[in-house]
Amino acid sequence: DAMVIQNPRYQVTQFGKPVTLSCSQTLNHNVMYWYQQKSSQAPKLLFHYYDKDFNNEADTPDNFQSRRPNTSFCFLDIRSPGLGDAAMYLCATSRDKGVLTNEKLFFGSGTQLSVL
Amino acid sequence: GNSVTQMEGPVTLSEEAFLTINCTYTATGYPSLFWYVQYPGEGLQLLLKATKADDKGSNKGFEATYRKETTSFHLEKGSVQVSDSAVYFCALSDLGQAGTALIFGKGTTLSVSS
Repeated sequence: DAMVIQNPRYQVTQFGKPVTLSCSQTLNHNVMYWYQQKSSQAPKLLFHYYDKDFNNEADTPDNFQSRRPNTSFCFLDIRSPGLGDAAMYLCATSRDKGVLTNEKLFFGSGTQLSVL
Repeated sequence: GNSVTQMEGPVTLSEEAFLTINCTYTATGYPSLFWYVQYPGEGLQLLLKATKADDKGSNKGFEATYRKETTSFHLEKGSVQVSDSAVYFCALSDLGQAGTALIFGKGTTLSVSS
């Protein structure tokens, strides 16, 4: 049974039209992460939530926002998608902060975003 | 800054061949090292990990040894199967950078034919 669920699997949006990607988890984990993975590149961390605390990476563009209304759900909002934002977006969870406890991350299957 | 470098793919092998996927890293402090695997249509899954120098991580016939002197964490398997076809990601986390999640390499695609 999937424990980290991302919907939809494929998302198509228009240049400049806001889009929201969703992630839910059944693991009751404290930490939720969003990664961006462009073709043939390494997954790049955008931000993460530790419980309700939001932690933005220094080089994440302002165009990317996130919401975590409760433990189970986390959303990635792209306010004005550009062509360069087309990528696979990966959601992941960990019980606690991985860097502190070496806990593994659990990943969803990803949402492939296309921008027309 | 911290980084991970993996060998370029794709790697194409016949069933029962020996596999090596090279991974080297640059990090301050003493990172933990990981290999994640992504099967077609699925999310990334932890394959194995090592938390200190000379540790060997192993799982499903795969092994990797944390080599501090060469800053490497090469993935090996003695006899690959078609079901091992996937993308393999080397990653590190660094205890010296609280709040930082995993840093990944670009991934190496493995294709095994029967």
